[in-house]
Amino acid sequence: AQSVSQHNHHVILSEAASLELGCNYSYGGTVNLFWYVQYPGQHLQLLLKYFSGDPLVKGIKGFEAEFIKSKFSFNLRKPSVQWSDTAEYFCAVNGGNKLVFGAGTILRVKS
Amino acid sequence: DADVTQTPRNRITKTGKRIMLECSQTKGHDRMYWYRQDPGLGLRLIYYSFDVKDINKGEISDGYSVSRQAQAKFSLSLESAIPNQTALYFCATSPPKDTGELFFGEGSRLTVL
Repeated sequence: AQSVSQHNHHVILSEAASLELGCNYSYGGTVNLFWYVQYPGQHLQLLLKYFSGDPLVKGIKGFEAEFIKSKFSFNLRKPSVQWSDTAEYFCAVNGGNKLVFGAGTILRVKS
Repeated sequence: DADVTQTPRNRITKTGKRIMLECSQTKGHDRMYWYRQDPGLGLRLIYYSFDVKDINKGEISDGYSVSRQAQAKFSLSLESAIPNQTALYFCATSPPKDTGELFFGEGSRLTVL
């Protein structure tokens, strides 16, 4: 069965700091990979996605993620975070016909 | 208006009561899903449906049932609610092509006392 592991449950950063959130998955076949974001009190929104091609994908709001197949990883990055990036971030993997989510990482950005 | 609408948005109920959460969508997607979100556990799939005649259990279907009344409507029922079903419930849809991208509703927060 697929599983998704997010390395940190809570991350606290100051504004302008760089961000990297880890995501590893277990699935032997071809996968589609996603990062979703949930701002306080809101529903999940798609941040970025990888289906195929260039393993470095760019999403909204300056976020990017890199798919490293050999490491089964899809880490999320942002060079300089803003207070408005405070949210919970979910990595998700679709290797069959269902999307499996990680436990989420709560990011708090201090202004 | 939201493409995926959930009702009610908030509900407090008592142990043993029957609860229905409703979801309707205007995206025209065939695939619909119900997830629950718990702190530290992420989102877990309860049930999913790929078309009106298709219903499938997810990883945590015990204590839940669903009904796909139409392409646009997918309801989740708790026949006899218990406190550990207190959670935030999300409905989601996806297009027929199996890319895995989901479109979520606003969520229904259920508290079982």
